[in-house]
Amino acid sequence: AQSVTQLDSQVPVFEEAPVELRCNYSSSVSVYLFWYVQYPNQGLQLLLKYLSGSTLVKGINGFEAEFNKSQTSFHLRKPSVHISDTAEYFCAVSSVMNRDDKIIFGKGTRLHILP
Amino acid sequence: KAGVTQTPRYLIKTRGQQVTLSCSPISGHRSVSWYQQTPGQGLQFLFEYFSETQRNKGNFPGRFSGRQFSNSRSEMNVSTLELGDSALYLCASGGDKPEAFFGQGTRLTVV
Repeated sequence: AQSVTQLDSQVPVFEEAPVELRCNYSSSVSVYLFWYVQYPNQGLQLLLKYLSGSTLVKGINGFEAEFNKSQTSFHLRKPSVHISDTAEYFCAVSSVMNRDDKIIFGKGTRLHILP
Repeated sequence: KAGVTQTPRYLIKTRGQQVTLSCSPISGHRSVSWYQQTPGQGLQFLFEYFSETQRNKGNFPGRFSGRQFSNSRSEMNVSTLELGDSALYLCASGGDKPEAFFGQGTRLTVV
C-alpha cells in the first residue's frame, strides 16, 4: 500500500517569489507520481506527472517537480509565482505494478500568494 | 475530446432525502472513481467502478452507493441525507494512462 504526506497545509508566499511545496510518499513498490491543482469550486487538474526516466519533470504553468527515490520525495517548485497560482495543490501516487489500485492523494497544500 | 462531465453542478437537498449524482467519463475510459471533498476531511475516496464492477471501495457507510452503466457513465446515490454529507463530490475517469481526469464536481448542500 502507498501513502502520501504533504508536509504543509498552507504556504504563504509573495508574488514573484519562488515556492516549493513538499511531498513525501511511502511505498514498497515502484510508483507513478502526480501533482494536481484545484482552483476554487473546480475539479482537480493535472499539473505534471512522473512515470519514468528523467527525475526532473516539467508541467504546465511553469511548475516543475523532482523525483528523489532515496528521499522518497516529489517536491513541486516554481521560480516565480503569480496571483493566479492561488489554489490548492495535491500530490498523488499510484502503483506501477498494480494498475487496479486506486490513486492515493495527499491532504493538499493551500498556496496563498501575497501581493 | 470532451472531458469528464458531472451533473448537476449544484444541488440543495433536505435532511432525510436522497440524491443521485451523474458522471460521464472521457470517451473510451472504463474506470470511474468518486471522491468526497470537505474542508475538514479533505479529499476522501468513495469507490471506483471499472467495466460496470466495483473495483475499489473507501470507508463510507452503506448510504453511499454507486453503479456504472455499459456506456461507462456512472451514478452515485446517497440515501437519508445528513448535514455532514454537504460537500463537493468529484468524479474522475481513467483510461490507459495512469493518471486520473477529474470533472468540475457537484456541490451538494444539505439543509
